[in-house]
Amino acid sequence: DQQVKQNSPSLSVQEGRISILNCDYTNSMFDYFLWYKKYPAEGPTFLISISSIKDKNEDGRFTVFLNKSAKHLSLHIVPSQPGDSAVYFCAASDSNYQLIWGAGTKLIIKP
Amino acid sequence: NAGVMQNPRHLVRRRGQEARLRCSPMKGHSHVYWYRQLPEEGLKFMVYLQKENIIDESGMPKERFSAEFPKEGPSILRIQQVVRGDSAAYFCASSPSGANQPQHFGDGTRLSIL
Repeated sequence: DQQVKQNSPSLSVQEGRISILNCDYTNSMFDYFLWYKKYPAEGPTFLISISSIKDKNEDGRFTVFLNKSAKHLSLHIVPSQPGDSAVYFCAASDSNYQLIWGAGTKLIIKP
Repeated sequence: NAGVMQNPRHLVRRRGQEARLRCSPMKGHSHVYWYRQLPEEGLKFMVYLQKENIIDESGMPKERFSAEFPKEGPSILRIQQVVRGDSAAYFCASSPSGANQPQHFGDGTRLSIL
């Protein structure tokens, strides 16, 4: 049973445009959400997180939006840069230390 | 991913051998987590440890797998009598405290079973 789903295996975006990565979850007990970026042969790198008491968190070019009623979150990257090409993972927890991960979305930034 | 150090980066074992994966957390972090990633999948939680204590090993197979985080030295994930299905990338993460904190990851150990 996949509690965290990233339905788009890949996404291609023009450099300079906005990248929007989506994530859906089924467990209403999740209260903490994170986005990680991963390059091949490296470990995941933490990007940004959001608590369920908020609906938006921003850090530089990265903004995460949380829609609790829809059990949906998204990561916006503006403007997209070539170095953003990577696999992006959404993860969630329920006041717990266990992170439940989506399968990832491969983002390709075209020059 | 500077900070969390995992070694070796690549490990090749034959079926039936033992695999030992090491993880040194970031300085100041006393919470360590091990995850496994199979190809085309997300990471799967295996075990959560604090110094000298296993807090949660619910994601770890009951047989052949064990983990420790001694008072001194790195955390060790040990796989005895490895089988082909153990081939995966094993990631270690650390955090300064437990719940609702970003976990910071090492670059992983890629285990290949011949």
